[in-house]
Amino acid sequence: KAGVTQTPRYLIKTRGQQVTLSCSPISGHRSVSWYQQTPGQGLQFLFEYFSETQRNKGNFPGRFSGRQFSNSRSEMNVSTLELGDSALYLCASSSQGEQYFGPGTRLTVT
Amino acid sequence: QKEVEQNSGPLSVPEGAIASLNCTYSDRGSQSFFWYRQYSGKSPELIMFIYSNGDKEDGRFTAQLNKASQYVSLLIRDSQPSDSATYLCAVKTWDNAGNMLTFGGGTRLMVKP
Repeated sequence: KAGVTQTPRYLIKTRGQQVTLSCSPISGHRSVSWYQQTPGQGLQFLFEYFSETQRNKGNFPGRFSGRQFSNSRSEMNVSTLELGDSALYLCASSSQGEQYFGPGTRLTVT
Repeated sequence: QKEVEQNSGPLSVPEGAIASLNCTYSDRGSQSFFWYRQYSGKSPELIMFIYSNGDKEDGRFTAQLNKASQYVSLLIRDSQPSDSATYLCAVKTWDNAGNMLTFGGGTRLMVKP
């Protein structure tokens, strides 16, 4: 089976812009979770989607949002980018509880 | 606040030795425990998971769980230089229906030839 894919892999944006990241889970997996990884804060949970519904949400501002489509593909959006949003954004897919990560999207905000 | 604690390291072991990585967690409701390996510049890779007290072995890796002590560990036998990476402990509780994991800060392991 193909693994989790994320696009784009690298992104450079300017403060104030918005960005959309995409994730395609492992075939058959209906749960997609998003995480932010930074050197200072480590890996932090953003939100989880299951069957097109947000099932859990982490402690991030409303500028961070997401959605899931009927084919389980998911997108996350960050509006009004701040310098502190520079991070590796990871998507993980799950079917039985174990989560498998994609390669991540490296976002740099200048 | 649910916390997962790991010694940041680096933990340095010689090639062929046993590496022991430790993790403690604060939430007694935690039910599932995961170890991920992350190479520099790469995403985390799931290497072990454990749900019940005791030991679980998979090749050179053994995960150990002690819920009474709120402690989970990962042993790597016959450590190889290719095992040099950051090891992340993650914990999931069942007070929510979903798949939210809380991660520790990771332990950097260095295996010296």
